[in-house]
Amino acid sequence: DTEVTQTPKHLVMGMTNKKSLKCEQHMGHRAMYWYKQKAKKPPELMFVYSYEKLSINESVPSRFSPECPNSSLLNLHLHALQPEDSALYLCASSQVEGNSYEQYFGPGTRLTVT
Amino acid sequence: KNQVEQSPQSLIILEGKNCTLQCNYTVSPFSNLRWYKQDTGRGPVSLTIMTFSENTKSNGRYTATLDADTKQSSLHITASQLSDSASYICVVSGAGGGNKLTFGTGTQLKVEL
Repeated sequence: DTEVTQTPKHLVMGMTNKKSLKCEQHMGHRAMYWYKQKAKKPPELMFVYSYEKLSINESVPSRFSPECPNSSLLNLHLHALQPEDSALYLCASSQVEGNSYEQYFGPGTRLTVT
Repeated sequence: KNQVEQSPQSLIILEGKNCTLQCNYTVSPFSNLRWYKQDTGRGPVSLTIMTFSENTKSNGRYTATLDADTKQSSLHITASQLSDSASYICVVSGAGGGNKLTFGTGTQLKVEL
């Protein structure tokens, strides 16, 4: 199984809402990632978790809060977002953290902030 | 600054034709180069991954080449199909610390009847 799953597929939320994005993999990978992708732009790295611990935070605003409850799950908690946060949010995983390891991407969650 | 540039930005070809996409990078030191296919609104799917010692790798109708000396790569698609319509992204990984990948802006390919 080389699949990374993400839920929900689409999410519309107001600027005062609190919501969460979920990501799951069962490949035994110990590194998981959140990316943000705007239309016609490449993905931008947001967070990296390695062995369930936050390894990299690319100076992401605190209205995005990642969580890795176990080695298979990765959440992204959203609160007080802005319309410019509307984007495709991609989750990825790799065997371990490191440049030589293949990253497997999920299908993404299309987020719209109204 | 590490950069990955792709050309052309967009391309339209007829079904059954071949095409070649280009990728130039300045990432140094170099670890590996990947080509991904991304359908609209979906996550990228890996096509090939090459280290500096590999100069060609195939995956079905997709063949990637790498010239680590000139820091160039190409992705050749043979006998294109309508389902090949997608964005093709070149991603370069640097050696050393951190896990940051440098993404190109992609080539948008459209295959028409």
